[in-house]
Amino acid sequence: SAVISQKPSRDICQRGTSLTIQCQVDSQVTMMFWYRQQPGQSLTLIATANQGSEATYESGFVIDKFPISRPNLTFSTLTVSNMSPEDSSIYLCSVGTYEQYFGPGTRLTVT
Amino acid sequence: AQSVTQLDSQVPVFEEAPVELRCNYSSSVSVYLFWYVQYPNQGLQLLLKYLSGSTLVKGINGFEAEFNKSQTSFHLRKPSVHISDTAEYFCAVSESSGGSNYKLTFGKGTLLTVNP
Repeated sequence: SAVISQKPSRDICQRGTSLTIQCQVDSQVTMMFWYRQQPGQSLTLIATANQGSEATYESGFVIDKFPISRPNLTFSTLTVSNMSPEDSSIYLCSVGTYEQYFGPGTRLTVT
Repeated sequence: AQSVTQLDSQVPVFEEAPVELRCNYSSSVSVYLFWYVQYPNQGLQLLLKYLSGSTLVKGINGFEAEFNKSQTSFHLRKPSVHISDTAEYFCAVSESSGGSNYKLTFGKGTLLTVNP
């Protein structure tokens, strides 16, 4: 399985600001995914990011709030924009297809 | 659309006891099934998967799960747990047709606490 790293591992941000989370994979992958895990909750898919095309967002998530870049086959970023305390979550990237492997996550706290 | 129900939010057990974590799913199409484990302050690790073939699948750390299509269940079992098995366990499904949609749908998780 691929080795996936995320930066930052955690951050505390003020409301109204934005944070960009990076996801790096040690091998080329076609599909990358971004998930959100709110406190005490399960994981919810935010969007699917394929290299060379626009990200596909799930219902309830919009590009203005969660812009995603996928410049190459080993890297992606997720930006959480204009943050509010409700955005406090763990954000995880994953790679694969029907079988997915996850990064360690970014723990975001918005104050 | 798919959904996953994990019937127990918390399961406390004593060390060396057997454990079963229950998972039921709903889907109008064929699915693949997964169990992931999340240790405290860590990401998700794939524990085991059912794609096709034998309905009894074995995973890492001595865990196994059985796919029951008629009951739409995929329960996770371990005959003897260790303190180190304390973690959150998530059941997940994805459509086996794949295509451009490999979305994983997760259950709400079961916190397994193994006590000495």
